[in-house]
Amino acid sequence: EIVLTQSPGTLSLSPGERATLSCRASQSVTSSYLAWYQQKPGQAPRLLIYGASSRATGIPDRFSGSGSGTDFTLTINRLEPEDFAVYYCQQYGSSPHDFGQGTRLEIK
Amino acid sequence: EVQLVQSGAEVKKPGESLKISCKGSGYSFTSYWIGWVRQMPGKGLEWMGIIYPSDSDTRYSPSFQGQVTISADKSTSTAYLHWSSLKASDTAIYYCARRGSYFGYWGQGTLVTVSS
Repeated sequence: EIVLTQSPGTLSLSPGERATLSCRASQSVTSSYLAWYQQKPGQAPRLLIYGASSRATGIPDRFSGSGSGTDFTLTINRLEPEDFAVYYCQQYGSSPHDFGQGTRLEIK
Repeated sequence: EVQLVQSGAEVKKPGESLKISCKGSGYSFTSYWIGWVRQMPGKGLEWMGIIYPSDSDTRYSPSFQGQVTISADKSTSTAYLHWSSLKASDTAIYYCARRGSYFGYWGQGTLVTVSS
């Protein structure tokens, strides 16, 4: 099983700042099969990024993903008030397709 | 429009059985895997398993193997998650999601509460 470790656990920033979220895998993720999801309270998760760096349909370009192998990053430029939420990474290259434990992005 | 509509909230007692559902529409139900994800109160997302409705090929996370059963009915475009004997620790929100590699579409979630 591939274990995904996200850091930091909580990130406190102000609107307009840049957020950098990390996802580290215990072994190499096949073909960069790494996705990022956003979850707001009381809502289902929403796909942001797939294939490590491809934005899903309708996702603003202030969201970007990068990385390969075992180290991946989600960057959110110019934070908007609606971006404060919990973010999860997931690898879907080898079963089980586990999620990281999440990073909470909160308003400073 | 792709939609996954899940059954409503359930309140059950320990030891009871339960089957919750996820009905897909707006796409070819037999062409995509459907997965189930658990979210315990205040916690993160846990991948439980997936099923390919066309042939009912099913994969479980080791953490959930033997604890739940995933099934699908092609005729009604519905996937199911079944427990034969619920425990208090099964209290959670359960999401279904369509897998085209990653989970691109999600159901609204079903809250399952298990309490004596």
